[in-house]
Amino acid sequence: DAKTTQPTSMDCAEGRAANLPCNHSTISGNEYVYWYRQIHSQGPQYIIHGLKNNETNEMASLIITEDRKSSTLILPHATLRDTAVYYCIVRVDYNFNKFYFGSGTKLNVKP
Amino acid sequence: DAGVTQSPTHLIKTRGQQVTLRCSPKSGHDTVSWYQQALGQGPQFIFQYYEEEERQRGNFPDRFSGHQFPNYSSELNVNALLLGDSALYLCASSDSSGANVLTFGAGSRLTVL
Repeated sequence: DAKTTQPTSMDCAEGRAANLPCNHSTISGNEYVYWYRQIHSQGPQYIIHGLKNNETNEMASLIITEDRKSSTLILPHATLRDTAVYYCIVRVDYNFNKFYFGSGTKLNVKP
Repeated sequence: DAGVTQSPTHLIKTRGQQVTLRCSPKSGHDTVSWYQQALGQGPQFIFQYYEEEERQRGNFPDRFSGHQFPNYSSELNVNALLLGDSALYLCASSDSSGANVLTFGAGSRLTVL
């Protein structure tokens, strides 16, 4: 199973871009990178996913390096409500949606 | 459109007891997965149900069992509870024919005394 490595915590000023890195050096060619976040006492919330191309949606952008060994989640204008634990996940089994969650990055957005 | 609903939200049991947790998937979803999240850790995959059968299982003992009903709802059963089973139990549903995005419920917080 491809594992991910993320910093334990990060700080970001409100209104600035938050850039959350993730290392997945053992990723296989057909494994997707997913990002979820978990606000305190809630279930994880899907943010974005991608295979090799950069992706953008209404919540965030996902930048995947050309060798696919790392990626960065970008929240363009962080707000206090973006304070959460962010999980970078590699989907280990295409057919069965078995996701391996690591410990994630606690993002603290400060006023 | 209701998302994933779980019940109960909180419960307290004692060691050796049995517990049943329930999950109703998001409308249109046919696959249900269960995760255990200990305090301060990420969710850990328990198992997944599709077409009323267990399709994939994580590294959990047989004390953990489940069921999926014809309406796609699911139950998680844990027998012979241990103190270490105290955790947030998350249910996630997905569509077997889509982008495979998981939609999570808010979880059931189990405390074993």
